[in-house]
Amino acid sequence: AQRVTQPEKLLSVFKGAPVELKCNYSYSGSPELFWYVQYSRQRLQLLLRHISRESIKGFTADLNKGETSFHLKKPFAQEEDSAMYYCAPAPQGGSEKLVFGKGTKLTVNP
Amino acid sequence: GAVVSQHPSRVICKSGTSVKIECRSLDFQATTMFWYRQFPKKSLMLMATSNEGSKATYEQGVEKDKFLINHASLTLSTLTVTSAHPEDSSFYICSAKGGWNTEAFFGQGTRLTVV
Repeated sequence: AQRVTQPEKLLSVFKGAPVELKCNYSYSGSPELFWYVQYSRQRLQLLLRHISRESIKGFTADLNKGETSFHLKKPFAQEEDSAMYYCAPAPQGGSEKLVFGKGTKLTVNP
Repeated sequence: GAVVSQHPSRVICKSGTSVKIECRSLDFQATTMFWYRQFPKKSLMLMATSNEGSKATYEQGVEKDKFLINHASLTLSTLTVTSAHPEDSSFYICSAKGGWNTEAFFGQGTRLTVV
């Protein structure tokens, strides 16, 4: 079964500091992983997916199959990055669930 | 991105009554919809997954007779909380995906308060 683990419930950094939100997965087959973000009083939205290899709002995430990780990184955190971040495997045929990790609340202090 | 509209955004109901929450995909056909419950300061708990025209698949521990899910069309799914009790008070969120995309789009959520 697809499963992701976000070990940090809370993460607090200062503005301008690097930030890394951890996500580990256990997966059968080829994983497709997402990071979703929920800003205060806003709906959940997709931040990035590993297959696109994009940098969104300065965030990147590399799939490391050896470590089974998909950590979200940003070299210089901004206050507007404060939000809840959820790692999730994409629902796939035969197992259409979209199940999130427990989430990490990121707070970027001024 | 695609838009998912959830209605109502807030509802207060009396204990013992039923409440229906709608989830609509406005500009795409949602072949699969997901319903979640979010407790304060907790993650989203998947309640059920529904495919258009099929019965919903409920997660373990979720009472299907209490949380009725209907996905009768490619643009609408409903969640009905039957015989609501105060412990059903929560934030309910729907999301939808089309068959062409693995990305899911989320509604704004419904705050249910049962008094």
